[in-house]
Amino acid sequence: EVHLLESGGGLAQPGGSLRLSCAASGFTFSTSAMNWVRQPPGKGLEWVATISGDAGVAYYADSVKGRFAISRDNSKITLYLHMSSLRVDDTAVYYCARGGRGGYYGDIDYWGQGTLVTVSS
Amino acid sequence: DIQMTQSPSSLSASVGDRVTITCRASQGIAHYLAWFQQKPGKAPKTLIYDASSLQGGVPSKFSGSGSGTDFTLTISSLQPEDYATYYCQQYNSYPFTFGPGTSVHIK
Repeated sequence: EVHLLESGGGLAQPGGSLRLSCAASGFTFSTSAMNWVRQPPGKGLEWVATISGDAGVAYYADSVKGRFAISRDNSKITLYLHMSSLRVDDTAVYYCARGGRGGYYGDIDYWGQGTLVTVSS
Repeated sequence: DIQMTQSPSSLSASVGDRVTITCRASQGIAHYLAWFQQKPGKAPKTLIYDASSLQGGVPSKFSGSGSGTDFTLTISSLQPEDYATYYCQQYNSYPFTFGPGTSVHIK
């Protein structure tokens, strides 16, 4: 059974940094593209970033480009999101999600339960 | 960027009703569209991928159709557990974009 478990969320100050982790199990992690998707409180879903299974390519939403970095450690079966220069509007629940069905990285089939990031002074 | 719109933004329906939600893309996305269901305080759940393929374990009362720019999600007979918000998403090109959601309420 596919299982994704995010951690690392919490309170951060504007301009600060945070690292989210997503521990995966139940599937061959190293061949699966992975995504981060976020949801501000009371609002809709927003795609944040995608990384290929071998970490060879990564893509970002314009709203986070240059501030966030997606990475993975296939030996630890873990996905990361390194967040820096945080802004108040980065406040959201962050979900990791498996993609890559049929070779389309954004074709999401499984989601984690999410971790809340709050950016506030 | 491809903009996704959904209609209606909310609807009220009774148990047993047939419900249809529409999603429109600002440009053609072939069949690279998914539908998700989200209940309050919970993670999204994938229902449909490739516009009309049912995700494993999802009941057959959910169905999707469409291609190009116009898509629909249909719930054949609404049940109490189906009251939720539904989102469409295109994965034809970056940035992947979601519709604003359709909230399904009890009438």
